Amino acid sequence: DAGVIQSPRHEVTEMGQEVTLRCKPISGHDYLFWYRQTMMRGLELLIYFNNNVPIDDSGMPEDRFSAKMPNASFSTLKIQPSEPRDSAVYFCASSFGHSNQPQHFGDGTRLSIL
Amino acid sequence: GIQVEQSPPDLILQEGANSTLRCNFSDSVNNLQWFHQNPWGQLINLFYIPSGTKQNGRLSATTVATERYSLLYISSSQTTDSGVYFCAVISNFGNEKLTFGTGTRLTIIP
Repeated sequence: DAGVIQSPRHEVTEMGQEVTLRCKPISGHDYLFWYRQTMMRGLELLIYFNNNVPIDDSGMPEDRFSAKMPNASFSTLKIQPSEPRDSAVYFCASSFGHSNQPQHFGDGTRLSIL
Repeated sequence: GIQVEQSPPDLILQEGANSTLRCNFSDSVNNLQWFHQNPWGQLINLFYIPSGTKQNGRLSATTVATERYSLLYISSSQTTDSGVYFCAVISNFGNEKLTFGTGTRLTIIP
């Protein structure tokens, strides 16, 4: 079975540009999570969806960040405008159920903002 | 929020050695996962183990929920076991977020 699929794997762009990260969750999973990993802060949850509806976006760092889930098989995380401090690895994860079910992670997108 | 502490922070072992990684958490949990982040950055699910014991090949894990800790055992280690091992939990109380520990960096020397 296909796991969580993220694209692109790597993104290098200049400060001020819009960045769009994409995620396809595992089919049948009803929860989708976006995480960010940095050396300073480790792995932290940005936002999560249940049945395509955003439930908790308290981890989203600023208004420059937005996430959408237009259907059960696709989600995007956008940064506009991007800044060098947004450089990090962004992971998407999905699960069937939430607290008492395992989350499955994609391979991540390594983002570098110059 | 819940605190997750992992020990040791770094571990260097010879190939073939056994190791035990520990995860302590500050509150009761209904979700505990162990992950291996390999040198390519991928987060690999090892175990979903909020309680009890599981084994998968050379790896096994035990969670003693009442005492708020989990252990990951790696036997006959191989160079491919190198990477960072993370423990992550969701508390029974609070915000239902998967909270990660700071990880144990394991280096296996041939």
